[in-house]
Amino acid sequence: SQTIHQWPATLVQPVGSPLSLECTVEGTSNPNLYWYRQAAGRGLQLLFYSVGIGQISSEVPQNLSASRPQDRQFILSSKKLLLSDSGFYLCAWSTTGANTEAFFGQGTRLTVV
Amino acid sequence: KQEVTQIPAALSVPEGENLVLNCSFTDSAIYNLQWFRQDPGKGLTSLLLIQSSQREQTSGRLNASLDKSSGRSTLYIAASQPGDSATYLCAVMGSWGKFQFGAGTQVVVTP
Repeated sequence: SQTIHQWPATLVQPVGSPLSLECTVEGTSNPNLYWYRQAAGRGLQLLFYSVGIGQISSEVPQNLSASRPQDRQFILSSKKLLLSDSGFYLCAWSTTGANTEAFFGQGTRLTVV
Repeated sequence: KQEVTQIPAALSVPEGENLVLNCSFTDSAIYNLQWFRQDPGKGLTSLLLIQSSQREQTSGRLNASLDKSSGRSTLYIAASQPGDSATYLCAVMGSWGKFQFGAGTQVVVTP
């Protein structure tokens, strides 16, 4: 069966520090991968979307970047965090084709102080 | 641009009542619609996936309907229990290959 791992679960970082969140998927190949952010009391905002290694689509201009160095690995990064980067970050993967279904990791609570 | 709306934003019912959660979307050109549950501070758990060619999907006490032409989906939860308390989100996937989410309905089931 497929599983998705996302870490760390919580993170407190000072303003101006770098960020690296990692997500890996097991039990499937060539998945679509996603990074979402969920601000308090708000819906999920799609940040990045990847259909393959090295292929990244950015949905929202911002202080963050994403990379996909391996087929089932997706990394969210920042060189210098801002206070506004605080939030709940969720990684997801989906199958491809007409029956596409999305599966989510447990999320990372990021607090920038 | 696809927009997804969920009404109501919050709902409180006594245990045993049926829950009706609504989701509407502006662009009917979707591949599928998915309902999720989110517990506080946790990730999303997939509940039901409805393909665009389907009218409804059922799993246990959950039933989701889809009317693509009118841009609506409804999630029914029969005989609610306190354990059903959570936020429920719907997401649509279009030809663009990405999921667009509603803001969710926060449900509280009181014993």
